[in-house]
Amino acid sequence: GAGVSQTPSNKVTEKGKYVELRCDPISGHTALYWYRQSLGQGPEFLIYFQGTGAADDSGLPNDRFFAVRPEGSVSTLKIQRTERGDSAVYLCASSRTNTGELFFGEGSRLTVL
Amino acid sequence: ELKVEQNPLFLSMQEGKNYTIYCNYSTTSDRLYWYRQDPGKSLESLFVLLSNGAVKQEGRLMASLDTKARLSTLHITAAVHDLSATYFCAVDRGAGSYQLTFGKGTKLSVIP
Repeated sequence: GAGVSQTPSNKVTEKGKYVELRCDPISGHTALYWYRQSLGQGPEFLIYFQGTGAADDSGLPNDRFFAVRPEGSVSTLKIQRTERGDSAVYLCASSRTNTGELFFGEGSRLTVL
Repeated sequence: ELKVEQNPLFLSMQEGKNYTIYCNYSTTSDRLYWYRQDPGKSLESLFVLLSNGAVKQEGRLMASLDTKARLSTLHITAAVHDLSATYFCAVDRGAGSYQLTFGKGTKLSVIP
């Protein structure tokens, strides 16, 4: 596609449930990033993929968060046992190289009730 | 820990006026980025500054980078209403790190 595509755009779930958020990067971009943006804040880094492997997952807040990119294109961010504090907009970005300009998707807004 | 501070956080200005947004960061970095975000929308890349003294201009916006002072500025010339948005600066730690650390953003409102 022309840009980074994220689904769903909105997700409302109950505390304790499992959630998956999907990111389809720009075709040909090898680097993929997940960020989380809380209201009134700048995005915070979660995890970075170069190809299929997670090159840096140091931003994942705890072991309830996990992300995969099995074929080096689409990535899924998985959140287990969701908590109210997980509510935020989850942004995905991709870049052609690992030091290039990042192109962001419109985000998935997660609300945990 | 890398910290990125923007000021002001809120800016209300009249059309036609000039203003500067400042971005200070706490550790050495040679790469700084400016993004624009409209409400409910994605972040749009404005400028990528890759070296000390870099200056880039696009329309009414001009960005500069002073790596020695750890300071970047985003200058707005003759503001128009369409520039109303939130502007973020972000710093790459470099040295093999691919994380961007973002400032809190500057919410700009341009009043007709």
